[in-house]
Amino acid sequence: KQEVTQIPAALSVPEGENLVLNCSFTDSAIYNLQWFRQDPGKGLTSLLLIQSSQREQTSGRLNASLDKSSGRSTLYIAASQPGDSATYLCAARGLSGTASKLTFGTGTRLQVTL
Amino acid sequence: DTEVTQTPKHLVMGMTNKKSLKCEQHMGHRAMYWYKQKAKKPPELMFVYSYEKLSINESVPSRFSPECPNSSLLNLHLHALQPEDSALYLCASSQDTWQGGRAEQYFGPGTRLTVT
Repeated sequence: KQEVTQIPAALSVPEGENLVLNCSFTDSAIYNLQWFRQDPGKGLTSLLLIQSSQREQTSGRLNASLDKSSGRSTLYIAASQPGDSATYLCAARGLSGTASKLTFGTGTRLQVTL
Repeated sequence: DTEVTQTPKHLVMGMTNKKSLKCEQHMGHRAMYWYKQKAKKPPELMFVYSYEKLSINESVPSRFSPECPNSSLLNLHLHALQPEDSALYLCASSQDTWQGGRAEQYFGPGTRLTVT
């Protein structure tokens, strides 16, 4: 059974700092890994999707990497802004059958202070 | 357009009420999902529809009844709920069918349900 862990659970950084969020998964047999952002009481916004064959994806100030062999993904946020404050979730998608569902991590709650 | 819409945004219902949640997407996606999310927890998968057929039921109690009338619309019918069913209910869609595929899941804003 896939288990996804995110460390740290919460993070507070001053504006302008670069930061890294970590995501670990136990089963490397995944189709892809997706990073989401969730504002309090809101739905999930997809940030980046990395296919199992890819190592990296970039969108603006965000860069996500994937190392399947070690069961790790990182989300790098450059030059953080107060508007980046939210909970960040990673989710791994299994290969087939019931394992093909998204397994979510417990999230990292990010606060960027002025 | 990558939008998934959900109505209502908020719903308060008594334990004897019957209500429905609605989800709609116009992206031509053929897979649609219902998730339940409790406070400070990740979303938990409830149901998956693939090509308008129910393909996954994650052992959800029968007081939750999903329906997919067409490829763009997904409903969740609620009846005789318990206070512990209070949560944020999220709908999502993706391009691919349930078995295989690599498309992203796009989520709606959710319905905040309170059962009194």
